[in-house]
Amino acid sequence: EIVLTQSPGTLSLSPGERATLSCRASQSVTSPYLAWYQHKPGQAPRLLISGTSSRATGIPDRFSGSGSGTDFTLTISRLEPEDFAVYYCQQYGSSPLTFGGGTKVEIK
Amino acid sequence: EVQLVESGGGLVQPGGSLRLSCAASGSTFSTYNMNWIRQAPGKGLEWVSYISSSSTTIYYADAVKGRFTISRDNAKNSVSLQMNSLRAEDTAVYYCARDAAVGDPTYWYFDLWGRGTLVTVSS
Repeated sequence: EIVLTQSPGTLSLSPGERATLSCRASQSVTSPYLAWYQHKPGQAPRLLISGTSSRATGIPDRFSGSGSGTDFTLTISRLEPEDFAVYYCQQYGSSPLTFGGGTKVEIK
Repeated sequence: EVQLVESGGGLVQPGGSLRLSCAASGSTFSTYNMNWIRQAPGKGLEWVSYISSSSTTIYYADAVKGRFTISRDNAKNSVSLQMNSLRAEDTAVYYCARDAAVGDPTYWYFDLWGRGTLVTVSS
């Protein structure tokens, strides 16, 4: 089973700042099968990125994904107030599919 | 707007049973493969079960195999999860999630989720 470790656990930033979230895999993820989700309390999780770098429908271009092998990154170029949430990565190249533990992006 | 709405969660004693349901709006439900994913308190997300659009293919996580049963009714736009022999470690918010692929092949990532229903297993 591929274990995904997300860092940092919490990221404290101000609106307008750049957020860089890391997702590290215990073994190489079959390219390009990595997705990112945004989750706000009491809401349904939302797909942001699939295939490492493809934005889902309706996702603004301030969200971008990159990486390969064991290291993946979600970047939010300029944080908007609605971006403060928990973010999860997920690999789907190997069975069982697995999720990371999440990074909380909070307002500083 | 297409939505998924889970129901059926609650408090149950260890060894008990519970049936979760997920109702989908929209006319294309029958073309999508569906999943249940859970999140235990303070933990990350964990995939639980999968059912293909026509119910011909079903998978379970090892942690629930033999205890949980997934099913769907395309005429009613719904998917269910029958949970038996519940354990404390099954305590979690259970999410219904749609696979991003329309039909085959399965993509194994999820483009639509519900808000979840809380299952608490405790005496």
